[in-house]
Amino acid sequence: SYVLTQPPSVSVAPGQTARITCGGNNIGSKSVHWYQQKPGQAPILVVYDDSDRPSGIPERLSGSSSGNTATLTISRVEAGDEADYYCQVWDSSSDHPVFGTGTKVTVL
Amino acid sequence: QVQLVQSGAEVKKPGASVKVSCKASGYTFTSYDINWVRQATGQGLEWMGWMNPNSGNTGYAQKFQGRVTMTRNTSISTAYMELSSLRSEDTAVYYCARGPRYYYYDSIIWGQIDPWGQGTLVTVSS
Repeated sequence: SYVLTQPPSVSVAPGQTARITCGGNNIGSKSVHWYQQKPGQAPILVVYDDSDRPSGIPERLSGSSSGNTATLTISRVEAGDEADYYCQVWDSSSDHPVFGTGTKVTVL
Repeated sequence: QVQLVQSGAEVKKPGASVKVSCKASGYTFTSYDINWVRQATGQGLEWMGWMNPNSGNTGYAQKFQGRVTMTRNTSISTAYMELSSLRSEDTAVYYCARGPRYYYYDSIIWGQIDPWGQGTLVTVSS
């Protein structure tokens, strides 16, 4: 089955840039979505179709995807960006979503 | 606005069953798939299955085949997830979420899994 691999944690100072990777076989050929989850809350969609943002999501969050890696970039990191982030694609061969292992972003 | 509201927390004994509801509002319930995803404390997101609320068709993760049943009541725009033969490892927060398939006449339009319900904590303990 299709597997998405993320680093367990990323630490970043306020104002700096955080990059969260999501590795999967030929992920560049799939639509990648990213979710943010804060403690005690449900996940919310922050990037869809590799690089689009839902309304209300700041431009500081951006996405890209190519080859075997998709990346969520958080620019000018703020304390409020501290959360778990999950990538997700749809595995058409098994007809179900696949979630990445999740990355905890810590703002120093 | 589009919203999914789930039923409240449950405490069950090992071997029992639990049925979680997910009431949709703000859109046509039968036009989008509903997925169920669970999350144990400190763990990642685990997909359990999806349901087409119009046809009732379902697709379950192999891990839960034979133990999970997803149903719906279209008259009240509510989806249900029932998990049987509960064990301690099933203790988790269970989420419903809309999408990603949108059914428009004879077409299927692919979107995203969004939004999510607020989650239902199911605790399995003797």
